[in-house]
Amino acid sequence: AQKITQTQPGMFVQEKEAVTLDCTYDTSDPSYGLFWYKQPSSGEMIFLIYQGSYDQQNATEGRYSLNFQKARKSANLVISASQLGDSAMYFCAMRLPYNNNDMRFGAGTRLTVKP
Amino acid sequence: EAGVAQSPRYKIIEKRQSVAFWCNPISGHATLYWYQQILGQGPKLLIQFQNNGVVDDSQLPKDRFSAERLKGVDSTLKIQPAKLEDSAVYLCASSLWGQYSGNTIYFGEGSWLTVV
Repeated sequence: AQKITQTQPGMFVQEKEAVTLDCTYDTSDPSYGLFWYKQPSSGEMIFLIYQGSYDQQNATEGRYSLNFQKARKSANLVISASQLGDSAMYFCAMRLPYNNNDMRFGAGTRLTVKP
Repeated sequence: EAGVAQSPRYKIIEKRQSVAFWCNPISGHATLYWYQQILGQGPKLLIQFQNNGVVDDSQLPKDRFSAERLKGVDSTLKIQPAKLEDSAVYLCASSLWGQYSGNTIYFGEGSWLTVV
């Protein structure tokens, strides 16, 4: 069964510094996708970044990058130059295209950016 | 491009009452999902539709929850009778269909349910 683990319930970072949010996953399927979503206090889930299991390079989207270590089954999110608006819940998720293509989420990490 | 629309945004009901949530996915998205997110937890998949057919409803409490997607577009999620533990945010999401893991799932703003 697929499983997503986020071991950091909460993280603090100083404004303008970089922060890494951890995510590990478990699946025996060779084909899968890994996603990160941001959820502000208003509740909407905002898509940040995607990494496919066959992608050779780490995904990047602006200040977001995904540190993909396939052998370790980890997909950590790196946010560079943190901003106050980055304070939110962050969820790691995995999708298995050959298992109904649904998406399962981790428990989330609450990031607080301090001025 | 319009996003996923949900209503109502907020609902407070007493236990044993019923409630219904509505969702309109992004145009052209064949796959529609309903997730339940209890405060402090990650979203949990309740049901997944491909057009108007159910792909996965293994985590839907079928004794009280029901969902339908008539005509393969809009969807309704109903809870009857509601329990206190149903207090949560109900997130509707949609994506393109295809056995490709990179089809991003886009979420609506959610419907916040409080059962008292």
